[in-house]
Amino acid sequence: ETGVTQTPRHLVMGMTNKKSLKCEQHLGHNAMYWYKQSAKKPLELMFVYSLEERVENNSVPSRFSPECPNSSHLFLHLHTLQPEDSALYLCASSQDTPSGGSYNEQFFGPGTRLTVL
Amino acid sequence: LAKTTQPISMDSYEGQEVNITCSHNNIATNDYITWYQQFPSQGPRFIIQGYKTKVTNEVASLFIPADRKSSTLSLPRVSLSDTAVYYCLVGDRGDTGGFKTIFGAGTRLFVKA
Repeated sequence: ETGVTQTPRHLVMGMTNKKSLKCEQHLGHNAMYWYKQSAKKPLELMFVYSLEERVENNSVPSRFSPECPNSSHLFLHLHTLQPEDSALYLCASSQDTPSGGSYNEQFFGPGTRLTVL
Repeated sequence: LAKTTQPISMDSYEGQEVNITCSHNNIATNDYITWYQQFPSQGPRFIIQGYKTKVTNEVASLFIPADRKSSTLSLPRVSLSDTAVYYCLVGDRGDTGGFKTIFGAGTRLFVKA
């Protein structure tokens, strides 16, 4: 148990569906992240939020839409996905500002296994 | 972040010591070396971090030579449950776990009975 929860754990959706992934952290962290992990590929950083503001967006298609209403919650809204978007989507959190020599260890949730039909 | 190179996979047997080496020739003066572990269908988990020489915790040891161009993660007496992917990350201490963390392909360790 890492203090980061994700729901649902598994999701199957059609290409025309709209769904949302939810992440919640109970660690008091101010930074949250979405990663995508496709089969046998490295983790890909998708979005980074710090104090509810998006600070990183790594050229992710617009069919993925993140939302961070507060520092404890992070959503990933999905619409008109493609089969190649099927992957494990991981949420993580860390302390906020990466400065002053503090180490910002990331704590990951268990992930949502997404299948797009 | 400095690019890292690790073996794609390694096999071991229960009870053996496993050493996974990571090359990071372009490591910068302020960079730290961090290792994460990922079990199947789970998120990565922090194992250990170091800057130079040797660091040891309850899970592993990290050996870093003087030139810091490589590092070795040492897992003592592995068990079947140590089968996982191990990632080496190099970056500024504020970045390595923070905003611009870049995970490479990692090393897939398979422990056999």
